[in-house]
Amino acid sequence: QQQVKQSPQSLIVQKGGISIINCAYENTAFDYFPWYQQFPGKGPALLIAIRPDVSEKKEGRFTISFNKSAKQFSLHIMDSQPGDSATYFCAAKQGAQKLVFGQGTRLTINP
Amino acid sequence: SAVISQKPSRDICQRGTSLTIQCQVDSQVTMMFWYRQQPGQSLTLIATANQGSEATYESGFVIDKFPISRPNLTFSTLTVSNMSPEDSSIYLCSVEAQGLREKLFFGSGTQLSVL
Repeated sequence: QQQVKQSPQSLIVQKGGISIINCAYENTAFDYFPWYQQFPGKGPALLIAIRPDVSEKKEGRFTISFNKSAKQFSLHIMDSQPGDSATYFCAAKQGAQKLVFGQGTRLTINP
Repeated sequence: SAVISQKPSRDICQRGTSLTIQCQVDSQVTMMFWYRQQPGQSLTLIATANQGSEATYESGFVIDKFPISRPNLTFSTLTVSNMSPEDSSIYLCSVEAQGLREKLFFGSGTQLSVL
């Protein structure tokens, strides 16, 4: 119930393409859904987040799409750049409880 | 934002020994969190450290194995005790942003290899 399932495990996209990472959850009480970006040798950093009262949130080239009925949310990276190559984690949280992280997606953008 | 300094950044240790990881934050924070990130795996919360009280451990983690100190509002340590190769992992310190409970800041992590 507390799990967040993330796919794919790894992803290779050409420069300029769209990167899409998906996450699914079971706990309908989750009320906060962030995405974290982690570069090698660094800790994760908050990239973008959404709450279930909206279906989409966009910040620059990064967009979260949220489907409450399907219990799924996804990260879209438009015009993907080599500098976007990193590991991405989705996560979910219920109220004041701890963040539950997905398994991570290793994204590689080929030049 | 919060700046977190974590050290050591990496270490190679022998089985049966202990390693203490330090986490220093540039501002006072109520709660500090310790995470483990096993190779190619997700982030797993080990424990939450509050200043002035015992740390709260998540299921599967015990104080004897992962003792935590929190002597003040800017500093914490995590000790990995009696290490085995299964403890090889990245250990991350994290804090919540002031007034933004959902935003976590992470240190750069400690890459631990146990031989």
